[in-house]
Amino acid sequence: DIQMTQSPSSLSASVGDRVTVTCRASQSISTYLNWYQQKPGTAPKLLIYAASRLQSGVPSRFSGGGSGTEFTLTISSLQPEDFATYYCQQSYRVGALTFGGGTKVQI
Amino acid sequence: QVQLVQSGAEVKKPGASVKVSCKASGYTFSTSDINWVRQAPGQGLEWMGWMSPNSGNTVYAQKFQGRLTITSDTSISTAYMQLNSLRSEDTAVYFCARGMAAAGGGDYYYYMDVWGKGTTVIVSS
Repeated sequence: DIQMTQSPSSLSASVGDRVTVTCRASQSISTYLNWYQQKPGTAPKLLIYAASRLQSGVPSRFSGGGSGTEFTLTISSLQPEDFATYYCQQSYRVGALTFGGGTKVQI
Repeated sequence: QVQLVQSGAEVKKPGASVKVSCKASGYTFSTSDINWVRQAPGQGLEWMGWMSPNSGNTVYAQKFQGRLTITSDTSISTAYMQLNSLRSEDTAVYFCARGMAAAGGGDYYYYMDVWGKGTTVIVSS
């Protein structure tokens, strides 16, 4: 299976900060990379697919980049509702989808 | 609107089986895959498998081979996840999620865009 490693595992930030989360794949996955946001007690929400495509309805302060083995999720100006856990997920191997371990963004 | 509604919480004894349902509405059920993803308490997300309601094809994560069965009933737009031989480590919230593919540059990018609220399964003697 393709291993996905996120860093950091948690970070502290303030409202208005620019925040970047990194995701690394154990092999090249081109741009087959998705990002999800999860708040406590709720289901994950798709933010970005194909590494950089913003899902409909997601605020433009979220952006994704990267290709191959290294990817980033950036929040340009952190808002109170953005405090959550973020997961990357590869779809290079649709028969063996895998998630990163998550990055908790807290105050 | 598009939504997936899951069945209620379950409490099972070790060795038993659990079957969780996921009813789709707001779109044509047979045109999209249904994935199952679980999350143990305080842990991350773990993909279990998916099925295509249209073809009946299924793909399971290697970890669950032989213990997991995903089925669907297209007449009622409902998918099911059955996990057998339950153990305490199977205690988790189980989510269903719609699988979609977007075209781009000759490729198709697969993602899960709509999720159910989750079903808690507790395995305890």
